[in-house]
Amino acid sequence: DAKTTQPTSMDCAEGRAANLPCNHSTISGNEYVYWYRQIHSQGPQYIIHGLKNNETNEMASLIITEDRKSSTLILPHATLRDTAVYYCIVRAENTGTASKLTFGTGTRLQVTL
Amino acid sequence: GAVVSQHPSWVICKSGTSVKIECRSLDFQATTMFWYRQFPKQSLMLMATSNEGSKATYEQGVEKDKFLINHASLTLSTLTVTSAHPEDSSFYICSARRDNRVWLEAFFGQGTRLTVV
Repeated sequence: DAKTTQPTSMDCAEGRAANLPCNHSTISGNEYVYWYRQIHSQGPQYIIHGLKNNETNEMASLIITEDRKSSTLILPHATLRDTAVYYCIVRAENTGTASKLTFGTGTRLQVTL
Repeated sequence: GAVVSQHPSWVICKSGTSVKIECRSLDFQATTMFWYRQFPKQSLMLMATSNEGSKATYEQGVEKDKFLINHASLTLSTLTVTSAHPEDSSFYICSARRDNRVWLEAFFGQGTRLTVV
């Protein structure tokens, strides 16, 4: 699986957009970009995923660069409840039993008043 | 959305005893479940892949005789920490992959905090 690089931490004011970057310069053509987050003392929560097109759902937007070497997760109006560690994971789509997720260190997002 | 439930949420046990943690997919079938461990201020580390009806696949460095995994049905996997020691104190998290889905969709339990005293 391709390696990802994320900033260790970020701050964001409540109500503002939080833009979380992720570098994945060694991504392969069949690998997707997944984003999960983990609120303190809870299990990770799926946010969004994409291959090459930008994606949007009720939680966030995912912007993937044309060369696919980096992406940005956008939380359009961050709230205090969005304070969490955000993980960017690159993984090939696989329906086999080897379809495991490998977590890096992630970005600790602190949303403040 | 799909729900994965872990039980218990937290447990304290004495050194040398065994502890069983359950992971259930409540509204979907999961042939494959995963067990992770997370130490304070660290990321999740995959311990093993649990496969219904067959032996689990353990990651390098994880003792299979210490961390027993049983995946007896399509909705239940259990992790038993045998002869627990204080260094086994950690946050254990399971995830389940929904069967018959095209993309890699994993749902996580709420985690179990194990404290060995």
